[in-house]
Amino acid sequence: GENVEQHPSTLSVQEGDSAVIKCTYSDSASNYFPWYKQELGKGPQLIIDIRSNVGEKKDQRIAVTLNKTAKHFSLHITETQPEDSAVYFCAASSDGGSQGNLIFGKGTKLSVKP
Amino acid sequence: DTAVSQTPKYLVTQMGNDKSIKCEQNLGHDTMYWYKQDSKKFLKIMFSYNNKELIINETVPNRFSPKSPDKAHLNLHINSLELGDSAVYFCASSQIRGRTEAFFGQGTRLTVV
Repeated sequence: GENVEQHPSTLSVQEGDSAVIKCTYSDSASNYFPWYKQELGKGPQLIIDIRSNVGEKKDQRIAVTLNKTAKHFSLHITETQPEDSAVYFCAASSDGGSQGNLIFGKGTKLSVKP
Repeated sequence: DTAVSQTPKYLVTQMGNDKSIKCEQNLGHDTMYWYKQDSKKFLKIMFSYNNKELIINETVPNRFSPKSPDKAHLNLHINSLELGDSAVYFCASSQIRGRTEAFFGQGTRLTVV
């Protein structure tokens, strides 16, 4: 089955700096790669996702890149703000069937210092 | 309106008890899930279910069982609770399994004493 590795486990940046979180996946059939943000005491919430037919996607200060050949994808947050502090999860899944469940990485705790 | 709601938010119970966590989604989604988040924040799929198929993570003990009275509900029943079951349990739903955004509930913190 799918296995998703995520690095780093913790990341501390100064406000205004950029933050990068990297993930690798094992199943070449995976074709959907979402990123979730989890704030303290809340459930994970989607912030951006990318599908395998796209190499990069951007939404304001957040961007995701995907390299299908190398089986890795990354989250980039620019101009970080204190409210970006949270745990971020990458995930991967393939179309339907028994492989269709989202498999999550172990999370990255991002701290943005004012 | 809350998209995915689960109750209770907190649950403290003794070893050996049987308990249930309820989940409801008002998004009209076809697929619902249960995830377990341990103390290290690792999110692990337990079950996914739509009206045609239940997929069980093979590592989940058979003391855990999902029950779906209708498309909008997927409840989690746990028998003979053990200390290691203590965790936060999240219910989620999506339109199509694995291909669209999953919406998560607020979580149920289960503590077994």
